[in-house]
Amino acid sequence: AQKVTQAQTEISVVEKEDVTLDCVYETRDTTYYLFWYKQPPSGELVFLIRRNSFDEQNEISGRYSWNFQKSTSSFNFTITASQVVDSAVYFCALSGYNTDKLIFGTGTRLQVFP
Amino acid sequence: IAGITQAPTSQILAAGRRMTLRCTQDMRHNAMYWYRQDLGLGLRLIHYSNTAGTTGKGEVPDGYSVSRANTDDFPLTLASAVPSQTSVYFCASSVDRVSTDTQYFGPGTRLTVL
Repeated sequence: AQKVTQAQTEISVVEKEDVTLDCVYETRDTTYYLFWYKQPPSGELVFLIRRNSFDEQNEISGRYSWNFQKSTSSFNFTITASQVVDSAVYFCALSGYNTDKLIFGTGTRLQVFP
Repeated sequence: IAGITQAPTSQILAAGRRMTLRCTQDMRHNAMYWYRQDLGLGLRLIHYSNTAGTTGKGEVPDGYSVSRANTDDFPLTLASAVPSQTSVYFCASSVDRVSTDTQYFGPGTRLTVL
């Protein structure tokens, strides 16, 4: 069975702090895909990143970075120098190879205070 | 390009009534999906369609039906609404099956069943 665990329900930080959102996944597939989505207070879901299981290189996009470690089945998301606009619920998701289903974690609510 | 549109934005519905949530995409994506989002549960897949003319059941299909008469539209119908179907409903689409592509989401429909 596939599962995504986001153990952090809510995180609060002060602006400019770095923050890491944890994501641990379970799958028996050798080929799989991992995703992060952002849901700001307006409610829409915004795609952030997609990573396949054969690419363990860390990725950086501006203040965002992702650390994929197959050894610990984790795909953690770090925001550097957080800003108030980063306040949102962040979802990690998993899909196995040749499946039609995207399995979401329960989300982590990040609040960034000025 | 609008992407994915959903209608209505929100709706209050009496239990037992029939309701159809509309979803239209203009990206010519083959695959479409319906999710519901509930507090503490993340997003759960209701139904999906890999291509026009085909549909499949997701994690929580009971009480819902879908059709895919053409590429652009993927309506979700609640034949006889119950209070437990109070939720935020998201439609999504991807070029192809989710394992090889990224899902993009609509703005959501907030449904309250009394």
